[in-house]
Amino acid sequence: DGGITQSPKYLFRKEGQNVTLSCEQNLNHDAMYWYRQDPGQGLRLIYYSQIVNDFQKGDIAEGYSVSREKKESFPLTVTSAQKNPTAFYLCASGDRGTDTQYFGPGTRLTVL
Amino acid sequence: ELKVEQNPLFLSMQEGKNYTIYCNYSTTSDRLYWYRQDPGKSLESLFVLLSNGAVKQEGRLMASLDTKARLSTLHITAAVHDLSATYFCAVDSSDTGTASKLTFGTGTRLQVTL
Repeated sequence: DGGITQSPKYLFRKEGQNVTLSCEQNLNHDAMYWYRQDPGQGLRLIYYSQIVNDFQKGDIAEGYSVSREKKESFPLTVTSAQKNPTAFYLCASGDRGTDTQYFGPGTRLTVL
Repeated sequence: ELKVEQNPLFLSMQEGKNYTIYCNYSTTSDRLYWYRQDPGKSLESLFVLLSNGAVKQEGRLMASLDTKARLSTLHITAAVHDLSATYFCAVDSSDTGTASKLTFGTGTRLQVTL
């Protein structure tokens, strides 16, 4: 099956800890994205990558870091510098033909 | 800075009725997307609108794009309960030939009642 997988589905973090969220796609898409969604809000772009070994900051990159060592994978690290990390995190990958972004199932992060 | 506004933010409608959700955006773009999100779930792509005057229809939903007015509409015809969800529009502000960069509206929560 082609698609985007994210793990874990739920993640609990203590204050001061870094955590890494996984995102994998087998759609052969060049572009990958990370978004954050807060309750009752739209999505905000954290980071995106157009190609392997390259990525750009989105609108709310502070306190986050990413890497893109493989085309299929785009992990997101939420660092202790992110002051309010509790949110729903969505990964997406992009179809170059229509520029449509397809979304993974999401990871719900809660800081205890 | 690109701003995307949707209205209404919440819509309660009876089954069988028609209604329209509006999406206004602040800067020039000719690429707009509509997504659906069920509670606690991810986003599902509904429509891709890539030019002025584009109109797409799927079942009881029809989306259109007017790039001159910077306005997209999502029209619901004869609503049914299964359409209850949150609907987002997203505008692409990227340069042609580069990866899309989407700015999302705040969403319209649609509740269809019997």
